[in-house]
Amino acid sequence: KAGVTQTPRYLIKTRGQQVTLSCSPISGHRSVSWYQQTPGQGLQFLFEYFSETQRNKGNFPGRFSGRQFSNSRSEMNVSTLELGDSALYLCASSLYLGTSTEAFFGQGTRLTVV
Amino acid sequence: AQSVTQLDSQVPVFEEAPVELRCNYSSSVSVYLFWYVQYPNQGLQLLLKYLSGSTLVKGINGFEAEFNKSQTSFHLRKPSVHISDTAEYFCAVTRRVGNTGNQFYFGTGTSLTVIP
Repeated sequence: KAGVTQTPRYLIKTRGQQVTLSCSPISGHRSVSWYQQTPGQGLQFLFEYFSETQRNKGNFPGRFSGRQFSNSRSEMNVSTLELGDSALYLCASSLYLGTSTEAFFGQGTRLTVV
Repeated sequence: AQSVTQLDSQVPVFEEAPVELRCNYSSSVSVYLFWYVQYPNQGLQLLLKYLSGSTLVKGINGFEAEFNKSQTSFHLRKPSVHISDTAEYFCAVTRRVGNTGNQFYFGTGTSLTVIP
C-alpha cells in the first residue's frame, strides 16, 4: 500500500512569489492535514480537509490556503512568499475525521525562500 | 487550549543503555496521546499511541510509554537503545471531546543521540 506522497520534495522560491505544494493521501483516506515545521516554532498545524471541506484551521495568515479534490488529493498554496515561510511542510492523511485515528505523514516538501 | 512540553531538547545515551524521553501535557479536556519519530529528511512515523485502557502502551522498535493522568505525563522509554534509534522524537496530543478533526498539538521535540 503506497504511503502519503508529497511533491515536490524540494523547492526554492524567491520572496514575493507564490508556491503550490501537493499531497496525495493513502488510498481510501479522506482526511488530509498540513503542518509547517521550522526549527524555531516546531510543528504547527495549518489546516485540515475532509470531503473537500476545510474542517479546522490553524493560526496562519490568509496567504496560506489549501483545497482538497474529490479524489482526496490536497494542495496548499502560499502567496507572496516571505523569508520566514522557509520550512518543511508536512502532509498527514487519516482514514476519517476523528481524533483517535492514526495520522500517516508524508516525507514533506522542503521550501526555501531566498 | 492544549500544550505539550518535552522537558529535554537533547538526550545523549550510550548504546544498549536505557532511555526515557519525558513529555508532559496540559489540557482542560481529556486527550489522546501519541509519540512520533522523525529521521533526518523524513516525515513522522508513529511509535505508539494511548487512546484508552491500559496505561502502559507498547509500540514499535521496542518502545513503550506510560500514561499518568495525575501527573499529566506520557513518558517514552526503551530498555536498551540501538544506534538506529538516533532521531528526533515528538510527543503529541489531540482532544478527545469536542473536536471533529485530527489536529495534533506537538511538543518541540527531543533529539536522541545514541553513542557507540
